[in-house]
Amino acid sequence: RKEVEQDPGPFNVPEGATVAFNCTYSNSASQSFFWYRQDCRKEPKLLMSVYSSGNEDGRFTAQLNRASQYISLLIRDSKLSDSATYLCAVIQSSGDKLTFGTGTRLAVRP
Amino acid sequence: ETGVTQTPRHLVMGMTNKKSLKCEQHLGHNAMYWYKQSAKKPLELMFVYNFKEQTENNSVPSRFSPECPNSSHLFLHLHTLQPEDSALYLCASSQEGRGQWEQFFGPGTRLTVL
Repeated sequence: RKEVEQDPGPFNVPEGATVAFNCTYSNSASQSFFWYRQDCRKEPKLLMSVYSSGNEDGRFTAQLNRASQYISLLIRDSKLSDSATYLCAVIQSSGDKLTFGTGTRLAVRP
Repeated sequence: ETGVTQTPRHLVMGMTNKKSLKCEQHLGHNAMYWYKQSAKKPLELMFVYNFKEQTENNSVPSRFSPECPNSSHLFLHLHTLQPEDSALYLCASSQEGRGQWEQFFGPGTRLTVL
């Protein structure tokens, strides 16, 4: 089983839609979780951290489900500018490196 | 944004060439990283430097040789590469002590090995 696994997509959604991505991780002792955004031919940038209680930043909501070992990212009211690849990242129990998933590609159409 | 810069942005080299990638961070961080990103694969951590000392080498072939002369500069020396080494090479930095999770990436060097 891969350490961090994501559905590669692409997810094609119309503007205004709500879309959700999941990311599963294999190490139950993993401590910290993050979502990064990567635009085409650009570097990844931290979008948000994922806390146990869940967190929200505007149209974006991130949640952690430790029992099922996955994190999720919900995007409401999708904008064209949300089109990108969304990478999840996990810090393993040793706490000393980030392990990334392959990313999920989102395409928002007019 | 110029927090982490990388040069060159694009590089084409033959298998017998020797070249170097350069990374510089202007964020006052004390940890720097090299990642490799290939199509349809996750970001692969190659090297980690904390306080200028290499702390991790993820079984990277010896044809990749890192150098960290100080906490703000990082190099990746390349020699006798293979076509499968063609990828985007990303440098990142973070501040140890505040949590290594917030890594800031440079724009990357897109490498093509012929």
